[in-house]
Amino acid sequence: EVQLVESGGNLVQPGGSLRLSCAGSGFRFSDYWMTWVRQAPGKGLEWVANIKEDGSDKYYVDSVRGRFTISRDNARNSLYLQMNSLRAEDTAVYYCGGPMMFSRVDYWGQGTLVTVSS
Amino acid sequence: QSALTQPPSASGSPGQSVTISCTGTSSDVGGYNYVSWYQQHPGKAPKLMIFEVNKRPSGVPDRFSGSKSDNTASLTVSGLQAEDEADYYCSSYAVSNSFGYVFGTGTKVTVL
Repeated sequence: EVQLVESGGNLVQPGGSLRLSCAGSGFRFSDYWMTWVRQAPGKGLEWVANIKEDGSDKYYVDSVRGRFTISRDNARNSLYLQMNSLRAEDTAVYYCGGPMMFSRVDYWGQGTLVTVSS
Repeated sequence: QSALTQPPSASGSPGQSVTISCTGTSSDVGGYNYVSWYQQHPGKAPKLMIFEVNKRPSGVPDRFSGSKSDNTASLTVSGLQAEDEADYYCSSYAVSNSFGYVFGTGTKVTVL
């Protein structure tokens, strides 16, 4: 059974940092692109970042480029999202997803809530 | 990175069919057969229902079907059931988008 389990969400002040983690199991983690998607309260889904199988290619949506960094540790079957210079508009549930192929995301984690507020 | 356009809401009675549209451009929906559809119940994670326009993952009922014409993709739910009440999002590969992918605005499906 495929499982993706996120952790690391919390309340953080504007300008602060947070690192999200996602542990994958039940599939060959190292064989697939992975992604982070977020959903602000009461809003729709938004792509955040994705990363190639070996971590050599990374893509970011314009609103987070330069502030967020996606990474992975295939030995630990884990995906990460380092979020710096956080803003109120980054408040959302963050989902880890994969395997990812084009716009297809086969499995999703349960989500972790990030709240940016003073 | 503009979102694909979906109607905010759609509805139908049990047993009926409902179709949701997802309109983009020739740089995304119209240009590639990489449209996916996701179902999301309140407080839950999205679930993949359709990929590559009209393919169903294992375990998704055949009541769910996808199609595409020009720059508009569609998701049809036939034989509506109470558990189909949810939000639905389309997504597409988008060559003009620096990120490469875009979601739709989302449609709330209500089973009357």
